[in-house]
Amino acid sequence: EPEVTQTPSHQVTQMGQEVILRCVPISNHLYFYWYRQILGQKVEFLVSFYNNEISEKSEIFDDQFSVERPDGSNFTLKIRSTKLEDSAMYFCASSDWTQYEQYFGPGTRLTVT
Amino acid sequence: KQEVTQIPAALSVPEGENLVLNCSFTDSAIYNLQWFRQDPGKGLTSLLLIQSSQREQTSGRLNASLDKSSGRSTLYIAASQPGDSATYLCAVLRGAQKLVFGQGTRLTINP
Repeated sequence: EPEVTQTPSHQVTQMGQEVILRCVPISNHLYFYWYRQILGQKVEFLVSFYNNEISEKSEIFDDQFSVERPDGSNFTLKIRSTKLEDSAMYFCASSDWTQYEQYFGPGTRLTVT
Repeated sequence: KQEVTQIPAALSVPEGENLVLNCSFTDSAIYNLQWFRQDPGKGLTSLLLIQSSQREQTSGRLNASLDKSSGRSTLYIAASQPGDSATYLCAVLRGAQKLVFGQGTRLTINP
């Protein structure tokens, strides 16, 4: 069964460094999403992406964040200058043309020290 | 703004009991509602998805109901097992773009 994959599973970085989290969505999916979950808190929507454009973003998704689909398979989330409060589990998800169900990857745990 | 609330925040029951987890949402204009399971430090496993036009969905020992008009959903787990111990998350799909999640119910099944 096709699945969403994410790399790395765990990333440790120093405050102020740039990080790129990578996702490979399900191959025929058209809509892509990033969510994050700070330890002990709710899963929060960050951004949705379609046709090489951001279609919706939350107030969390400020200028420090960017998303890109650099090729036909990868979908990336870049944090330009990480802060301690960016430490969280980041989930990628994708959905097909119906947008009916989002399929989640296993997550990347980002630790900012 | 859509808010999703789950009650109780934590639940501990003996093995074999049937149990109900509750989810409420403030805006009934949803596309669907989904229940997830999350093990500690792990990802999200989709359990059941209920379309906005449906009243319930079943998978094995799990049954989820949806009452859009009252903004409520329940997840019923029959004959609970220790392996069911996890956090259960409810999420509603709003605007076909983003899922709005509840805080979750942390379930412990005691052998």
